[in-house]
Amino acid sequence: SQTIHQWPATLVQPVGSPLSLECTVEGTSNPNLYWYRQAAGRGLQLLFYSVGIGQISSEVPQNLSASRPQDWQFILSSKKLLLSDSGFYLCAWSYEREDTQYFGPGTRLTVL
Amino acid sequence: QKEVEQNSGPLSVPEGAIASLNCTYSDRGSQSFFWYRQYSGKSPELIMSIYSNGDKEDGRFTAQLNKASQYVSLLIRDSQPSDSATYLCAVNIPDSNYQLIWGAGTKLIIKP
Repeated sequence: SQTIHQWPATLVQPVGSPLSLECTVEGTSNPNLYWYRQAAGRGLQLLFYSVGIGQISSEVPQNLSASRPQDWQFILSSKKLLLSDSGFYLCAWSYEREDTQYFGPGTRLTVL
Repeated sequence: QKEVEQNSGPLSVPEGAIASLNCTYSDRGSQSFFWYRQYSGKSPELIMSIYSNGDKEDGRFTAQLNKASQYVSLLIRDSQPSDSATYLCAVNIPDSNYQLIWGAGTKLIIKP
């Protein structure tokens, strides 16, 4: 069976500090991977998606970046966090060439 | 601009009654439709997917799709307090590398 992991579960960071969130997927090969952000009481905003190693597409211009160094690994980064980066960060995966998405447990980020 | 619209609620339903959640979408080319449930502070979990016009039943849940009216709904029969959550509607974006566009969600409250 397939399993998706995200860490850390919660994070409190000062403004201007760097960020690294990691997501891993087990039990499937060449998944599509997605990073979303959900602000309090809001819907899901797609940040990045990847259909393969090294293939990253950005949906929203911002101070965040993403990388996929391994087939099963998706990393969200920032060099300098802004207050507006606070939110619930969700990683999701889907089977190759399919659009049903499955979510990890999420990381709640608070930028102070 | 592609959109998915949901009534934000809250929708309050007595325990044991039928809860009806609605979603409209703007892209006539969409072919895949999803309902997710999100408990407060948790990540979304897939309830049902539907691809053809008509009804699809899974236990107490029934998804209904009408592509001509660009309308998808979710019925929950015999509503239980554990059904209290935010329900997210998602629709595929055609020719988009398996991206989904998300509604903002409807908050459902089941009153004992």
